Amino acid sequence: ETGVTQSPTHLIKTRGQQVTLRCSSQSGHNTVSWYQQALGQGPQFIFQYYREEENGRGNFPPRFSGLQFPNYSSELNVNALELDDSALYLCASSLEWQVNTDTQYFGPGTRLTVL
Amino acid sequence: AQTVTQSQPEMSVQEAETVTLSCTYDTSENNYYLFWYKQPPSRQMILVIRQEAYKQQNATENRFSVNFQKAAKSFSLKISDSQLGDTAMYFCAFVPLEAQFEGLTFGTGTRLTIIP
Repeated sequence: ETGVTQSPTHLIKTRGQQVTLRCSSQSGHNTVSWYQQALGQGPQFIFQYYREEENGRGNFPPRFSGLQFPNYSSELNVNALELDDSALYLCASSLEWQVNTDTQYFGPGTRLTVL
Repeated sequence: AQTVTQSQPEMSVQEAETVTLSCTYDTSENNYYLFWYKQPPSRQMILVIRQEAYKQQNATENRFSVNFQKAAKSFSLKISDSQLGDTAMYFCAFVPLEAQFEGLTFGTGTRLTIIP
């Protein structure tokens, strides 16, 4: 396994609600990235945090926000949930922010269903 | 914007045979990196192999090798002596050297099944 964990494994929410997903990176990894993987699709980049600061963002609205903590844990928060937010959410940690050379270690994902 | 295309949604091959997964990409960048990731059923995605665009030599990792054709913007993965544990979704991914803060761009994946 990769040493990256995520909780919860599965989650069911109602449209309009808010959700918090959690990720625990490998110890010493300064970067965490979050991806959304819709059914039958490849992962899409949401954002990246390096040493507790957001330093990269994909094409996702501001209702997707995150936090990274000094203890190598992080959160993805989604407000005003929409049906299209139903997906597998993956976090990935790496030592530094250079995505090209730093191997990203993915967690198992959180399956979010919005009804 | 970059796009990655995997035109084979599903493939299957007999154990011990060789299989090649296709990937094409579109970019105006000259310096970039390409990756193949493996996502086994109900398990975590792991990096299989990485290729630097400015290197002519194709990357290899044990039974896994790539055929990188920069001019054709093609990046295929060859799995030799396939094993049952190779059964997984395989994703091709891309990142430009100058846009690493935009994360990896993934294709839609190829579901590979190794038949005993």
